[in-house]
Amino acid sequence: GAVVSQHPSWVICKSGTSVKIECRSLDFQATTMFWYRQFPKQSLMLMATSNEGSKATYEQGVEKDKFLINHASLTLSTLTVTSAHPEDSSFYICSARPNYSNQPQHFGDGTRLSIL
Amino acid sequence: GESVGLHLPTLSVQEGDNSIINCAYSNSASDYFIWYKQESGKGPQFIIDIRSNMDKRQGQRVTVLLNKTVKHLSLQIAATQPGDSAVYFCAEPSGGTSYGKLTFGQGTILTVHP
Repeated sequence: GAVVSQHPSWVICKSGTSVKIECRSLDFQATTMFWYRQFPKQSLMLMATSNEGSKATYEQGVEKDKFLINHASLTLSTLTVTSAHPEDSSFYICSARPNYSNQPQHFGDGTRLSIL
Repeated sequence: GESVGLHLPTLSVQEGDNSIINCAYSNSASDYFIWYKQESGKGPQFIIDIRSNMDKRQGQRVTVLLNKTVKHLSLQIAATQPGDSAVYFCAEPSGGTSYGKLTFGQGTILTVHP
């Protein structure tokens, strides 16, 4: 149980394109999901906290207009990288916190984004 | 510690050896920590956690030690296997809850040689 699915797992696109990444909790509901970014050989850095039915909370230094987050249901959060540029190339990972549970967050398997 | 653009340290061991991975933290009020394993191209997987009212916690082949005096925790893996090769992170949830937003440590790349 407690599976988090991310889609796509890998995307390559041209500079200037907007890219949407989905994060789904498959067998549990999650009012709160998190989005992380990880550059090669580095640690995970929290970008934002996604809250179902309300605005996301962004970490300092993360541009909210660049990284649009929508959490319209209890099982789906999306991250849209708008007008992506090569410096946005990274590994984006989401996690979801099960409602009514003290379990730690469950992570998806990440999306590798490459901007040409 | 927290990672700010640093590259990960590495640990190489032979199959069957014990591995020790270290993590330092700075906030003396921190009271809950989680160890994660991240295999190549995947998201982190929960390994074990520990609260500050404990010095030691054991799981299957893994032990976490917490030294609050020097603000240090370690993950010990017994009889390391090639399948243990991965990046290991300590992480601290905000607010001392098991589900708060996570701050990840620097991470260590563990390579197990057959």
